[in-house]
Amino acid sequence: GENVEQHPSTLSVQEGDSAVIKCTYSDSASNYFPWYKQELGKGPQLIIDIRSNVGEKKDQRIAVTLNKTAKHFSLHITETQPEDSAVYFCAVINFGNEKLTFGTGTRLTIIP
Amino acid sequence: GAVVSQHPSWVICKSGTSVKIECRSLDFQATTMFWYRQFPKQSLMLMATSNEGSKATYEQGVEKDKFLINHASLTLSTLTVTSAHPEDSSFYICSARDSGDHEQFFGPGTRLTVL
Repeated sequence: GENVEQHPSTLSVQEGDSAVIKCTYSDSASNYFPWYKQELGKGPQLIIDIRSNVGEKKDQRIAVTLNKTAKHFSLHITETQPEDSAVYFCAVINFGNEKLTFGTGTRLTIIP
Repeated sequence: GAVVSQHPSWVICKSGTSVKIECRSLDFQATTMFWYRQFPKQSLMLMATSNEGSKATYEQGVEKDKFLINHASLTLSTLTVTSAHPEDSSFYICSARDSGDHEQFFGPGTRLTVL
C-alpha cells in the first residue's frame, strides 16, 4: 500500500518568517495531494490541494509544489502568523481506490 | 464549502457499553463516507469506507463486528462501537465525499472516553 512520510515532525518559526513542510510518497499512481490543518480537538480542514497534472499551486500565503518524478510535495506558508500554529497533515490519494493516506503530521508553532 | 457534522462531540461511557456516533452531510449528498480514528499526537487512520446502501469496507485489522457502520441515507452514516473498552478511547472523525469529486469534507470529530 501507499506509504507517506512527512518532515519535520515539529517546526518552530518566528512570526513573519516562512515555513516549509515536506512529504514523500511511494505509489507513483497517486494523483491527488491535499494538505490539512488540524487545530486542537477539531477535525482536519483542507487548506490547499494539488493534482498530478500541476506542478505548483498558490492561494494567498499558502503554496504547494509537486515533483511527481521524485514523488514528493511540499507546503509553503509565507508571512506566518500566530493563527497558523496547528498540526498540518499531508495526504495522498489514488483515484483508483479513493482512499486518503495521511502523513504523520507536523506541529507548527509560530513564535510571536 | 460543504459542511459535515458529527454528534456527539464527546462521550464518556462505561466499559462494556455501546456508543453510537452520527455523521451527517448538511448541504450535499454523500455517496461515500469514511471513518477515521486518531490517537493522541498521531495521524488519522482509516477504519472503513461506506457507500450509501451497501456494506462498509473495513481496513485490515479493524473488527467489523466491533465497529458497526451503517450508511442508510445519502446524508447520514453511523458508527457504533460495541462493547467498548478503554483501549477504544480515541478521537473518531468522519468524512464525506460526493460522487464525481475527490475532495473529502471532514467532520469536527467525536472524543470517546471509555472508563
